[in-house]
Amino acid sequence: DTAVSQTPKYLVTQMGNDKSIKCEQNLGHDTMYWYKQDSKKFLKIMFSYNNKELIINETVPNRFSPKSPDKAHLNLHINSLELGDSAVYFCASSPRGTSGRNTIYFGEGSWLTVV
Amino acid sequence: TQLLEQSPQFLSIQEGENLTVYCNSSSVFSSLQWYRQEPGEGPVLLVTVVTGGEVKKLKRLTFQFGDARKDSSLHITAAQPGDTGLYLCAGAGGSGGSNYKLTFGKGTLLTVNP
Repeated sequence: DTAVSQTPKYLVTQMGNDKSIKCEQNLGHDTMYWYKQDSKKFLKIMFSYNNKELIINETVPNRFSPKSPDKAHLNLHINSLELGDSAVYFCASSPRGTSGRNTIYFGEGSWLTVV
Repeated sequence: TQLLEQSPQFLSIQEGENLTVYCNSSSVFSSLQWYRQEPGEGPVLLVTVVTGGEVKKLKRLTFQFGDARKDSSLHITAAQPGDTGLYLCAGAGGSGGSNYKLTFGKGTLLTVNP
């Protein structure tokens, strides 16, 4: 059973389109995240949610709108896609935040290519 | 602002050699984690260090957290081709971060040649 699963794994779309990436975790964790990994492999936090509540929004353009219908799901909707949005988007979860020895589990990533 | 400086960025060595990867910051983190990421997959946690001066061993991998909790190192003894991958350090909490996000270094891409 996959702990953190995200779909789709690959997405190729045109500029200006709207797309969504879905994420689900079956670990019973309270905290979920979206990270973006650029072409140089740099991973940067986008959003953190704890028990469906937004905790961190790391100056992400408001074309990106996360939604957490319940604490097991955190979806990412992107409006008006731009070329610079091309990246790998990782969903992750942890029991409660990142402090102490909390283990953060990452999904396999969603490869978004905007053409 | 890049809070965690990781070096070297690229490392190509022969099987059997030893290597060290460094992760340095001017800020204090309450914990530091090391991840390994393989192509097409998400990062996988290797170890978390919490206490200043803490040393953890995972088979041929040795992780150390600096006394001031601003830096960390990963040492691999007798590297094998299976160690090839992207190694990432990440800090949490403290003055350098938050308890609800990880701040990542830029990664070290390690290639171990047979």
